[in-house]
Amino acid sequence: QVQLVESGGGVVQPGESLRLSCAASGFTFSNSGMHWVRQAPGKGLEWLGFILFDGTRKYYADSVKGRFTISRDNSENTLSLQMNSLTTDDTAVYYCAKGDSATSQGGYWGQGTLVTVSS
Amino acid sequence: DIQMTQSPSSLSASVGDRVIITCRASQGIRNDLGWYQQKPGKAPKRLIYGASRLQSGVPSRFSGSGSGTEFTLTISSLQPEDFATYYCLQYNSDPQWTFGQGTKVEIK
Repeated sequence: QVQLVESGGGVVQPGESLRLSCAASGFTFSNSGMHWVRQAPGKGLEWLGFILFDGTRKYYADSVKGRFTISRDNSENTLSLQMNSLTTDDTAVYYCAKGDSATSQGGYWGQGTLVTVSS
Repeated sequence: DIQMTQSPSSLSASVGDRVIITCRASQGIRNDLGWYQQKPGKAPKRLIYGASRLQSGVPSRFSGSGSGTEFTLTISSLQPEDFATYYCLQYNSDPQWTFGQGTKVEIK
């Protein structure tokens, strides 16, 4: 079955960087676009960005454009989110999610990893 | 950008009640809409895609309808395990997603 497992969260200070990973299994990772979504404590869901199945195109929300970078390694079935210049507003649970939204093959999310930005 | 307006933001209901949650899109999105359920401390779980298609394994008391700009999620008979927060998600502008603000369903 489809499984997505995020890792790399933790506590960092404002201005620092952090790299999150998402390990994928149970489907052909190299055929699927992938999303990152976050949820600040007590708040709703915010889409952050997307990477095409082959990594050739990436899209970002305005709130993270220029600071966050999505990448993937199809040989390792791994998705990554590099986060730079973090602020307290970036404190959230970060989820990776499988694309294919319009089909029964979509709708899968990881369990999330918590990032806390605090001095 | 497409905006999604979800209502109500919260509701109180009893077990067995019929519950309806609405999402309105700022422009037509055909049927490119999903509904998600999220319980505290858990990842969102997709219930519906394509506005009305039930995700595999989801109980049939959940149903979705609508097209264009108006969409509804209906829970025909609320069960104890259904108390959660529900979000709509538009993917018409795929790969850019937009979520509704969420509806918290609480026990009356």
